Amino acid sequence: GAVVSQHPSWVICKSGTSVKIECRSLDFQATTMFWYRQFPKQSLMLMATSNEGSKATYEQGVEKDKFLINHASLTLSTLTVTSAHPEDSSFYICSAHGGQGFYNEQFFGPGTRLTVL
Amino acid sequence: AQSVTQLDSQVPVFEEAPVELRCNYSSSVSVYLFWYVQYPNQGLQLLLKYLSGSTLVKGINGFEAEFNKSQTSFHLRKPSVHISDTAEYFCAVSGAGTASKLTFGTGTRLQVTL
Repeated sequence: GAVVSQHPSWVICKSGTSVKIECRSLDFQATTMFWYRQFPKQSLMLMATSNEGSKATYEQGVEKDKFLINHASLTLSTLTVTSAHPEDSSFYICSAHGGQGFYNEQFFGPGTRLTVL
Repeated sequence: AQSVTQLDSQVPVFEEAPVELRCNYSSSVSVYLFWYVQYPNQGLQLLLKYLSGSTLVKGINGFEAEFNKSQTSFHLRKPSVHISDTAEYFCAVSGAGTASKLTFGTGTRLQVTL
């Protein structure tokens, strides 16, 4: 149980285009989802926290107008990278938290590799 | 706020040898502690977690970790490693509570060779 999927697993796009990444909790309802960014050979950096039905909370230094997060249901959150540029190329990972009973454990998706040309 | 320090960026070890990956944390509040493993181009898999209770925590794949509050450490150990354990290992901390955000260490690359 507690499976989280991400789609797509990889994407290549041209500079200036927008890319949407989906994060789904497959067998549980996620009250909170987190979005992380990971550069090569580096750690995960939290970008934002999203709660179902409310606006996401962004970490300091993360542009909310560039990284749009929508948490429309208890099983789906999306991250849209708007007007992507090469410096946005990274590995994006989401995680989902199931609320009480899950003891604060986050379940991670497999990640999405974004390459902006 | 919490922070995590993983002092070793890389740990080379021979197969069947024991290994310890070090993790120290700082926090002004009670914490939960986690160890995750990441294989290339994949997400994170939880190895084990400390929430409360026994300070010795056993996880998957033969790993264990010990919570030491006085030394603010949560070192990961395995008595005998396998080639398949080669991966990146991340220590993480969160405030004790529901859906608290995780703060990750910089990771330790475990390289197991014959």
